[in-house]
Amino acid sequence: ETGVTQSPTHLIKTRGQQVTLRCSSQSGHNTVSWYQQALGQGPQFIFQYYREEENGRGNFPPRFSGLQFPNYSSELNVNALELDDSALYLCASSLRLADNEQYFGPGTRLTVT
Amino acid sequence: AQKVTQAQTEISVVEKEDVTLDCVYETRDTTYYLFWYKQPPSGELVFLIRRNSFDEQNEISGRYSWNFQKSTSSFNFTITASQVVDSAVYFCALSHSNSGYALNFGKGTSLLVTP
Repeated sequence: ETGVTQSPTHLIKTRGQQVTLRCSSQSGHNTVSWYQQALGQGPQFIFQYYREEENGRGNFPPRFSGLQFPNYSSELNVNALELDDSALYLCASSLRLADNEQYFGPGTRLTVT
Repeated sequence: AQKVTQAQTEISVVEKEDVTLDCVYETRDTTYYLFWYKQPPSGELVFLIRRNSFDEQNEISGRYSWNFQKSTSSFNFTITASQVVDSAVYFCALSHSNSGYALNFGKGTSLLVTP
């Protein structure tokens, strides 16, 4: 186990709703990244937070937003859910920004109906 | 632009066979990092290895070995004497500092090892 935890494990939402996913980083890790993994695909980078500031963003619309808290835990918020948002959402933490070894949590499976 | 190609979508082998998973990458950066991750059915991505672009030494870890060749932009992964527990989806990924070290994954290769 990596020490990265995510909640909830599974979630079912209706199109148009909003959702918040949570991630608790491995102890001492100040950088967290979020990825979206559609069925049968590789994970896609959503954004990264370093010391509570967004440090990079992939090709995702503004309705995907995030937060990192002083204890380095993080949230991913998605507004106006669409059917294509159904995916496994993975959180990864790393010891520091320049550390390439990202440790992943078990993910949250989001289903949008 | 960065790109990672894993041409093998699915591979099926019988236990104890050797198997090689291919990974080809594209990048314009001279400094970059390559990774392999394993994703078992539980869904959690397990880190296997990281290589930087300046280190072309092959690496062996138990039954796992990696062959990094910059000349062919490849970073292949070999499992020797495969076991049923090796069944998983394996992802190759690329990152560099210009993108904040975000991981750019391939589409993965699903490996099934049967008894």
